[in-house]
Amino acid sequence: DQQVKQNSPSLSVQEGRISILNCDYTNSMFDYFLWYKKYPAEGPTFLISISSIKDKNEDGRFTVFLNKSAKHLSLHIVPSQPGDSAVYFCAASALGLGAQKLVFGQGTRLTINP
Amino acid sequence: DADVTQTPRNRITKTGKRIMLECSQTKGHDRMYWYRQDPGLGLRLIYYSFDVKDINKGEISDGYSVSRQAQAKFSLSLESAIPNQTALYFCATSGGQGSYNEQFFGPGTRLTVL
Repeated sequence: DQQVKQNSPSLSVQEGRISILNCDYTNSMFDYFLWYKKYPAEGPTFLISISSIKDKNEDGRFTVFLNKSAKHLSLHIVPSQPGDSAVYFCAASALGLGAQKLVFGQGTRLTINP
Repeated sequence: DADVTQTPRNRITKTGKRIMLECSQTKGHDRMYWYRQDPGLGLRLIYYSFDVKDINKGEISDGYSVSRQAQAKFSLSLESAIPNQTALYFCATSGGQGSYNEQFFGPGTRLTVL
């Protein structure tokens, strides 16, 4: 039972345009969400997070939006750059599950085309 | 120098062999984790440890064991490797005062069981 789902295995975007990566979750206990970025032959690196008490968090070119009623979050990258080409994982956590445990989605491979 | 290191980076072994994957960290974190990544499944938690005397099973612990030798070292063992344990394995750490903290990942170990 996949509690965190990224339904798009891949996404291709033109350089300079907006990239939107989506993530859905089923467990209403999740109250903290994170996005990780992964390059080949490297471990995932933390990108941005959001608490369930917020609906938006922004960090430079990266913005995460949370829609609790829809159990949906999205990561916006504007403008997209070639170095953003990577696999992106969303992850969720909950105090009830043990706050430090993360449940990951399957990942979305983002390709930025010149 | 990398904060979270994993050895070996690549390993090919045969069915039935015992194998140990090692993780060391210099971040001073007390919490350590082992994940495996499979295509289309994202990262799944195998075991986690919140301090040297605390070991907990994750989502997919069958066939694996762990040892927390020190705060900085957390090893994962496959007592009798089988082909479906072929995967990319990641160690991660977290720490800090808050209830929620990002996890920092090592570079991964690619394990192939023939």
